[in-house]
Amino acid sequence: DQQVKQNSPSLSVQEGRISILNCDYTNSMFDYFLWYKKYPAEGPTFLISISSIKDKNEDGRFTVFLNKSAKHLSLHIVPSQPGDSAVYFCAASDSNTGNQFYFGTGTSLTVIP
Amino acid sequence: EAGVAQSPRYKIIEKRQSVAFWCNPISGHATLYWYQQILGQGPKLLIQFQNNGVVDDSQLPKDRFSAERLKGVDSTLKIQPAKLEDSAVYLCASSLDVGAYGYTFGSGTRLTVV
Repeated sequence: DQQVKQNSPSLSVQEGRISILNCDYTNSMFDYFLWYKKYPAEGPTFLISISSIKDKNEDGRFTVFLNKSAKHLSLHIVPSQPGDSAVYFCAASDSNTGNQFYFGTGTSLTVIP
Repeated sequence: EAGVAQSPRYKIIEKRQSVAFWCNPISGHATLYWYQQILGQGPKLLIQFQNNGVVDDSQLPKDRFSAERLKGVDSTLKIQPAKLEDSAVYLCASSLDVGAYGYTFGSGTRLTVV
């Protein structure tokens, strides 16, 4: 049972434009969300987080938006750079039951120079 | 700060053989996790340790998988005997404690069972 879903396996964006990566979840008890970035042959690296008390968190070119009523979050990258090309995973956790994170299947982003 | 170290990076074994993976977490990180990532899927938690105690192993196939974290530092994950469907990347991650968010992952061990 996939509790976190990333329905777009891949995304291509022109350099300088906005990349929008989407993530949906089914468990309404999830209250903390992370985005990870993964290059080939490397482990995932933490990118940005958001808790359910917020609807937006920004860090440089990266912004995560959370819509709790829709159980949806998105990662915006503006402007996109070729070095952003990687696989992006969203992950969600219910902090009341420990901090096990459930991961989506990932979206492979390609930024075209 | 040194990252999470894992070895080996790659392993190819025949089905029914045994294999072990090693993880050294970031110094001072009390919580250690083993994740399995099958190709095309997101990482799935196998086991979570807090120091040398198991916090969650509900998704660990205990008939063939075992893990230990002696002395609350390094950890080993073993598969015995391996099946074809165990082919995956095995990721180790650590965090300061159970309440800390945002793990640091190692580079993983890619296991191929033939």
